[in-house]
Amino acid sequence: SQTIHQWPATLVQPVGSPLSLECTVEGTSNPNLYWYRQAAGRGLQLLFYSVGIGQISSEVPQNLSASRPQDRQFILSSKKLLLSDSGFYLCAWRQPGQGARAFFGQGTRLTVV
Amino acid sequence: GQSLEQPSEVTAVEGAIVQINCTYQTSGFYGLSWYQQHDGGAPTFLSYNALDGLEETGRFSSFLSRSDSYGYLLLQELQMKDSASYFCAVRDRGNYQLIWGAGTKLIIKP
Repeated sequence: SQTIHQWPATLVQPVGSPLSLECTVEGTSNPNLYWYRQAAGRGLQLLFYSVGIGQISSEVPQNLSASRPQDRQFILSSKKLLLSDSGFYLCAWRQPGQGARAFFGQGTRLTVV
Repeated sequence: GQSLEQPSEVTAVEGAIVQINCTYQTSGFYGLSWYQQHDGGAPTFLSYNALDGLEETGRFSSFLSRSDSYGYLLLQELQMKDSASYFCAVRDRGNYQLIWGAGTKLIIKP
């Protein structure tokens, strides 16, 4: 069966510090991978998605970046965090050809102080 | 543009039945999905409708009418643990993005 791992679950980082959130998927190959951010009580904001190794599409131009160094690994990064980067970050995967059937990691609650 | 509309909040009583509607406007259609998200948690996949009709999974059912660009999630025998936000989603035809509704907060009263 397929599983998705996302870590860490919570993170408190000072303004100006770097960020690296990692997500890995097991039990499938060539998944579509997504990074979302969610503000409290709000919907899902798509940040990045990837359909293959090294292929990244960005939806929100800001100080965040994403990379997909391996087929089942998706990394969200920042060189210098801003206060506005605080939020709930979610990694998700879906199998191509499976419509809108997506599966999420546990999420990372990031607080920038 | 492409969008999904769902009510922001629905209130129901424990033990009752509640329906959460979703209307969509998309350039193509690859099925409608529903997700549940409890406060502080990640969304979890509930159901997927690619064809018209009703899909049942225990106390939850999901319905789709492609001619009306409409679907709904039906929750029966409501329990307090069903208090959560519910999202509908479709896949964008042009690329691999998922288009999401803004979410419906389901409040259940004893």
